[in-house]
Amino acid sequence: GENVEQHPSTLSVQEGDSAVIKCTYSDSASNYFPWYKQELGKGPQLIIDIRSNVGEKKDQRIAVTLNKTAKHFSLHITETQPEDSAVYFCAAGRSLGNQFYFGTGTSLTVIP
Amino acid sequence: DSGVTQTPKHLITATGQRVTLRCSPRSGDLSVYWYQQSLDQGLQFLIHYYNGEERAKGNILERFSAQQFPDLHSELNLSSLELGDSALYFCASSVVASGGGGNEQFFGPGTRLTVL
Repeated sequence: GENVEQHPSTLSVQEGDSAVIKCTYSDSASNYFPWYKQELGKGPQLIIDIRSNVGEKKDQRIAVTLNKTAKHFSLHITETQPEDSAVYFCAAGRSLGNQFYFGTGTSLTVIP
Repeated sequence: DSGVTQTPKHLITATGQRVTLRCSPRSGDLSVYWYQQSLDQGLQFLIHYYNGEERAKGNILERFSAQQFPDLHSELNLSSLELGDSALYFCASSVVASGGGGNEQFFGPGTRLTVL
């Protein structure tokens, strides 16, 4: 099965700085890679996703890059704000599959 | 608010007991997924139902079972509970059958289960 590794497990940045979270996956057949943000006491919420036919996707301050050859993908948050503080999960899955495989999460703290 | 509801929010019970967690998907969503989130682990996929039929099983213990009813709500039954079953249990829903296929999963707020 798929194995998704995520680093770092915790990340602290100053407000306004950038944050980068990295994930690797093992199944070369995985072709969909969502990122979820989980705030305290809430369920995960999709913030951005990327498919394997695309190398990069951007949505305002958030971007995701994908390197299929190396089997890794990254989340980039620029101009971080305190409200970005949360746990972020990466995941990998197949188009015709029935489940996501999640990373173990990164706890991001943005220091005002 | 994702539109997915889960009840109860908190559940405290004893080892050996049985509990039922309930999930109502977003209006129009036919797929329901169950996940377990422990303190030291990420989200572990348990099971996926689509329109009443089981579609995929993940790391679900034999003591756990689930079903999806004609009105599309789903229940996760946990029996012979052990201390290690203490966790957050999330359900998620999506429109289509393919859970890994780029179809956004909307997560509920979770049920926190504590086994004493």
